[in-house]
Amino acid sequence: KNEVEQSPQNLTAQEGEFITINCSYSVGISALHWLQQHPGGGIVSLFMLSSGKKKHGRLIATINIQEKHSSLHITASHPRDSAVYICAVHNTDKLIFGTGTRLQVFP
Amino acid sequence: EAEVAQSPRYKITEKSQAVAFWCDPISGHATLYWYRQILGQGPELLVQFQDESVVDDSQLPKDRFSAERLKGVDSTLKIQPAELGDSAMYLCASSQAGVSYNEQFFGPGTRLTVL
Repeated sequence: KNEVEQSPQNLTAQEGEFITINCSYSVGISALHWLQQHPGGGIVSLFMLSSGKKKHGRLIATINIQEKHSSLHITASHPRDSAVYICAVHNTDKLIFGTGTRLQVFP
Repeated sequence: EAEVAQSPRYKITEKSQAVAFWCDPISGHATLYWYRQILGQGPELLVQFQDESVVDDSQLPKDRFSAERLKGVDSTLKIQPAELGDSAMYLCASSQAGVSYNEQFFGPGTRLTVL
């Protein structure tokens, strides 16, 4: 069993839909990252959070430390949101990555 | 805006050849990481440097991989000889210090294809 699990693995949506990607982890963490990776591109950090909720534009990230669960929400999704979204947790001084959720948003 | 630089962006090589990747972290970032990402999977840490010292290379296949950060700034990752299974994206990241809380900033990656 992976220490960081994401669901769903693949997600398709129509433009404008509300998107939720989930991340569950089984290790102790000091912080959790949500990362975005475009095809052929590097990784961009969207959020780093250790409690509560953060919002940036149309993106919202929440974390529940007690339940060891985080969600990434995208409101009013757009084709340019199409990418792989990766959850990663800080455990001691390492990042442990999930396998990612591939999102495709169609016009 | 400061960025992590990597080169080359793409590399195609034949098996048994040697390849090298270069990374220049964000200025002032003491910690540098090399990750390998196989298609469809999350990144896997290969080696972590704090300044010029290796902090963690437990997942680095040392029979063929080597990494150095001689002056504690830029870094080189080498594979010799390359094998078919080495085909992957190689990502470099940096952070301000080796504290677990610090955000890592990623470079664009080098996509390696071994034929």
